[in-house]
Amino acid sequence: GENVEQHPSTLSVQEGDSAVIKCTYSDSASNYFPWYKQELGKRPQLIIDIRSNVGEKKDQRIAVTLNKTAKHFSLHITETQPEDSAVYFCAASRSGNTPLVFGKGTRLSVIA
Amino acid sequence: EAGVVQSPRYKIIEKKQPVAFWCNPISGHNTLYWYRQNLGQGPELLIRYENEEAVDDSQLPKDRFSAERLKGVDSTLKIQPAELGDSAVYLCASSLAGTGGEQYFGPGTRLTVT
Repeated sequence: GENVEQHPSTLSVQEGDSAVIKCTYSDSASNYFPWYKQELGKRPQLIIDIRSNVGEKKDQRIAVTLNKTAKHFSLHITETQPEDSAVYFCAASRSGNTPLVFGKGTRLSVIA
Repeated sequence: EAGVVQSPRYKIIEKKQPVAFWCNPISGHNTLYWYRQNLGQGPELLIRYENEEAVDDSQLPKDRFSAERLKGVDSTLKIQPAELGDSAVYLCASSLAGTGGEQYFGPGTRLTVT
């Protein structure tokens, strides 16, 4: 089955700097890669996703890149703000309606 | 539009007791998922429903866990009897087939087994 690895497990950045979180996956049939943000005690919230026919997608300060050959995808947050502090999870699945396999999460701390 | 609704939000029970969680998905979403999230980990699938049919329950510990989605809308997940290791957050998610299938999560039920 699918296995998703995520790095780093913790990340501290100064406010205004960029943050990058990386994930690798094992199933070459996976073609849907969402990213979720989870604040303490709250639900995971979908913040951006990418599909295998796209190499990069951007939404304001957030961007995701996908390299299908290498089986890795990354989340980039620019101009970080304290409210970006949370745990971020990457996930992969064969299509949007199949179960997601999640990474173990990255705890991002943005220091003001 | 209301999001995924779950109840209760918190539950504390003694081991060997039964417990049930309820989920109401986003209106019109035909796919419903139950995930379990252990502390410091990502969610892991327990069971997936397409309408009222359980299509992926390979990760559900069937000796003590059961689930149902009788009318293809809301769903109940039950544990009987609960064990200490069942302490976790139980998340429900839903998605709509044919639209890319983005999954939206409920707030979860935090279960503590003492």
